[in-house]
Amino acid sequence: QQQVKQSPQSLIVQKGGISIINCAYENTAFDYFPWYQQFPGKGPALLIAIRPDVSEKKEGRFTISFNKSAKQFSLHIMDSQPGDSATYFCAASIPAGANSKLTFGKGITLSVRP
Amino acid sequence: NAGVTQTPKFQVLKTGQSMTLQCAQDMNHNSMYWYRQDPGMGLRLIYYSASEGTTDKGEVPNGYNVSRLNKREFSLRLESAAPSQTSVYFCASSPPRTVNTGELFFGEGSRLTVL
Repeated sequence: QQQVKQSPQSLIVQKGGISIINCAYENTAFDYFPWYQQFPGKGPALLIAIRPDVSEKKEGRFTISFNKSAKQFSLHIMDSQPGDSATYFCAASIPAGANSKLTFGKGITLSVRP
Repeated sequence: NAGVTQTPKFQVLKTGQSMTLQCAQDMNHNSMYWYRQDPGMGLRLIYYSASEGTTDKGEVPNGYNVSRLNKREFSLRLESAAPSQTSVYFCASSPPRTVNTGELFFGEGSRLTVL
């Protein structure tokens, strides 16, 4: 059973538009929800993250919205730029002793057209 | 500061051959991970090591073995490679939750093709 589900599978947006990627999770024990960005030929890198006691977090053009009751969270990219074209993974973290264990969504490829 | 370093970056194997992917981190992190990335499947955890001397299976461990050589190094071994193991492999590390809640630092990946 996939614990973190992303949608859509791919997304094409015009430059200057808003990109919206959604994620849903199953396990209420998750306590940290990061988004990772991956450019071709590179490893994923943390983009922005949120804890479940906050409904929204904004960093520059990137915003996470979190709906605890619906067990959903989404990434909004405002004023999308061609340089934002990448693969985006949502993830959810659960405590594992003194460490954390992350479960990733399947990823979505974003293409921003000039 | 190199972060997480993986070697080799590319490798072609024939079915049945063995090989080891090497990973080293210089951030003094306790936890290290091996993931594989396949189209449409996302990142799937193969094995992880919460600390030096311990390893645990992840979601897709079959066909792989790991060694946590010391705090810095975590290797992934394919004993008898199969075409289904053609993938991009990522090593990652993370500090304990007291430092942050689960951020992973990834290497640049090792692309493996099994013919």
